[in-house]
Amino acid sequence: DAKTTQPPSMDCAEGRAANLPCNHSTISGNEYVYWYRQIHSQGPQYIIHGLKNNETNEMASLIITEDRKSSTLILPHATLRDTAVYYCIVSPRDFGNEKLTFGTGTRLTIIP
Amino acid sequence: DSGVTQTPKHLITATGQRVTLRCSPRSGDLSVYWYQQSLDQGLQFLIQYYNGEERAKGNILERFSAQQFPDLHSELNLSSLELGDSALYFCASSVVSVWGEQFFGPGTRLTVL
Repeated sequence: DAKTTQPPSMDCAEGRAANLPCNHSTISGNEYVYWYRQIHSQGPQYIIHGLKNNETNEMASLIITEDRKSSTLILPHATLRDTAVYYCIVSPRDFGNEKLTFGTGTRLTIIP
Repeated sequence: DSGVTQTPKHLITATGQRVTLRCSPRSGDLSVYWYQQSLDQGLQFLIQYYNGEERAKGNILERFSAQQFPDLHSELNLSSLELGDSALYFCASSVVSVWGEQFFGPGTRLTVL
């Protein structure tokens, strides 16, 4: 029972903005949206998270729609090192017995 | 380098055996999370410990157990191993007890033959 839906793959030209969409139409009021990425089989890397306001940090921007049913992760100037699988996860901050999975994510390929 | 260390990097064992995976969190982090990543199940949360106490339990099998020691390192014990337990096992750590920004280790690749 997936909580998020992401396109399986995307390409983006190097230097351009990469926009990765995520649908989470059943998100609850206390659930946050998190983005992680995984390069090859390395440990996942945290990118950003948000509840309802747009967020920005040194890595990316997160745009959450007003109804919170979808969000977009934006990598403003993609580089080859951004090639990875990107996971969108929804979860409450305070959870007990949570059958949490990262889903299948979006495989982003940055094209030189 | 996230600051989280995991040993061993690779482990090959036989069905029915028992293994222990070890994780050392980043300095100052009190939470340790364990995840399993297999080809057919994706990355699944198994269990979380915070300052020595179990904090949350996810998709962990009864054959698996974990603990966090006073020095905050954690061990994941896998017993009666089956072929399907072959996977990458990741440990992550964070400062807080709630789910959020976590720092993942490089993982332990377990192969059960």
